Amino acid sequence: SYVLTQPPSLSVAPGQTARISCEGGSIGSKSVNWFQQKPGQAPVLVVYADSDRPSGIPERFSGSNSGNTATLIISRVEAGDEADYFCQVWDTTTDWVFGGGTTVTVL
Amino acid sequence: EVQLVESGGGLVQPGRSLRLTCVVSGFTFDDYAMQWVRRAPGKGLEWVAGISWNGDTTAYADSVRGRFVISRDNTKNSLYLQMNGLSAEDTAFYYCAKSRAVAARFDNWGQGTQVTVSS
Repeated sequence: SYVLTQPPSLSVAPGQTARISCEGGSIGSKSVNWFQQKPGQAPVLVVYADSDRPSGIPERFSGSNSGNTATLIISRVEAGDEADYFCQVWDTTTDWVFGGGTTVTVL
Repeated sequence: EVQLVESGGGLVQPGRSLRLTCVVSGFTFDDYAMQWVRRAPGKGLEWVAGISWNGDTTAYADSVRGRFVISRDNTKNSLYLQMNGLSAEDTAFYYCAKSRAVAARFDNWGQGTQVTVSS
């Protein structure tokens, strides 16, 4: 089965840049989606197809994907960005796979 | 406005069954595939099942295959998840989500319904 690995937690100061990694075998050949989930709320799609943003998502959210690592980048981090972030891919043998999630704390 | 509203969760004993429902509005239901995703306490998101726009194609996570059944009624704008043989490991918040196809991104999610399996 296909496995996605994320760091469990990440701390970042306001105004700085957060980079959340998502590692998987040859993930660069797959299309990666990223979701944000705040406590008590439904997940929200923030980046799809590696680096595209749905309407309404700030330009501060971007993504990249190459080799064995995909990355969600949050620029100029704000207090409201505190949340759990999950990467996701479709794998032909495992179907949908989520990473374990990364909790982002804004200092 | 796109809305997805889950219901049917609750407290159920191990081995029993439960059926979740997701009623949608604000988009043409039979233009979209639908998904169920869950999040257990202290854990991450886990995809549970997906169904094509007409119900002809379904897919399941290994953890629920053979116990859960996903279905839909396009005349009622409703998605269902029949959960049988429940165990404590199925305790989670269950979310429905819409996608253009079973293998396409999840655009919108409902707020979820809590399922607790305990004696």
